[in-house]
Amino acid sequence: GQNIDQPTEMTATEGAIVQINCTYQTSGFNGLFWYQQHAGEAPTFLSYNVLDGLEEKGRFSSFLSRSKGYSYLLLKELQMKDSASYLCAVINSNYQLIWGAGTKLIIKP
Amino acid sequence: SQTIHQWPATLVQPVGSPLSLECTVEGTSNPNLYWYRQAAGRGLQLLFYSVGIGQISSEVPQNLSASRPQDRQFILSSKKLLLSDSGFYLCAWSGDREPYEQYFGPGTRLTVT
Repeated sequence: GQNIDQPTEMTATEGAIVQINCTYQTSGFNGLFWYQQHAGEAPTFLSYNVLDGLEEKGRFSSFLSRSKGYSYLLLKELQMKDSASYLCAVINSNYQLIWGAGTKLIIKP
Repeated sequence: SQTIHQWPATLVQPVGSPLSLECTVEGTSNPNLYWYRQAAGRGLQLLFYSVGIGQISSEVPQNLSASRPQDRQFILSSKKLLLSDSGFYLCAWSGDREPYEQYFGPGTRLTVT
């Protein structure tokens, strides 16, 4: 089968740094996405990784290791508005997008 | 720029009633279109996807159906709703080139009573 594993919930403090991990087992790999979803809203696209390494975009960075089937999303200088669920998704060899269940991030002042 | 519209935003329907949710995309042509359902606190479940007019692929057998009568219009339907159909329904589009990132509409929150 195909599956994506993420922690269910994480808590962090405003101004701190948090790393959300994602491990995947899929039939092939054509890229990995991170999405942010605020409660009651639609997911919004954050990042895309297809090659190993770190992609930085402002306060958010995403890392990929294809050999390990592993990615993480790094959020720096956390703000209260970063409280949301973060979804990891992988495109497999059939170009199907396989979704993780998401990690709910709670930011405390 | 591309935009995606979904309506209605919220819907309360009795068991056994029909359903029609509509999604339209502007600013792009020949998009790939998707219908997802998300139960409360859960991940996204792909219901249907379409790569062109009249071309629908179903991922989950159920009492829902989808149609794509026009290039940028995607409709989700049911003849008789079940309680288990309650959830947050999301329409998304992607281009036909890599990396195929998907962009979501605002969603419809359906409650079947």
